[in-house]
Amino acid sequence: KNQVEQSPQSLIILEGKNCTLQCNYTVSPFSNLRWYKQDTGRGPVSLTIMTFSENTKSNGRYTATLDADTKQSSLHITASQLSDSASYICVVSGQEYGNKLVFGAGTILRVKS
Amino acid sequence: ETGVTQTPRHLVMGMTNKKSLKCEQHLGHNAMYWYKQSAKKPLELMFVYSLEERVENNSVPSRFSPECPNSSHLFLHLHTLQPEDSALYLCASSREGVSSYNEQFFGPGTRLTVL
Repeated sequence: KNQVEQSPQSLIILEGKNCTLQCNYTVSPFSNLRWYKQDTGRGPVSLTIMTFSENTKSNGRYTATLDADTKQSSLHITASQLSDSASYICVVSGQEYGNKLVFGAGTILRVKS
Repeated sequence: ETGVTQTPRHLVMGMTNKKSLKCEQHLGHNAMYWYKQSAKKPLELMFVYSLEERVENNSVPSRFSPECPNSSHLFLHLHTLQPEDSALYLCASSREGVSSYNEQFFGPGTRLTVL
């Protein structure tokens, strides 16, 4: 079982709608959590990073939240655009793994017009 | 663009071929990485170089051989691959070593198909 689980595996929404992607992790002790966006045919690009003391961080229409007690994070996308269609990857780093990055399998988001 | 380039973008090879993947970063970073990305699976770290020295090799089969001649270039030499090695191979770089706080910048990847 992967130490970082993402849900849903895939999601289709209409342009202009909001959506929330989930990330649950078991990596402990926790160092930081990143959300990456990966467009088709491109490498992942970092959207946000959060440490233990941060519980929310925004980057434009993207807002990430973190609950270190329940080991859950979410990525909320507001007023979705066609360009938001991509894979969103949750990445957790923890001291148990020598501060290595543990990747989730990603959520594939498709925004339809 | 992220400042990390990879060539070729697509590669089809037979199991007896020898080929190389190339990665170049223009960001002045000190650490470079090779990852394997298979469909619906998490990224798998293959190799890490920091200041041109290999610091990590995650039990990757010997048919994959990395080379880091300088801090800007990274190669992945491929030899007698198997069909299950077909995947997207991503290169990344980061500054100041391999701390998890340093953002990794990824290249666009090489889509490899082994026949």
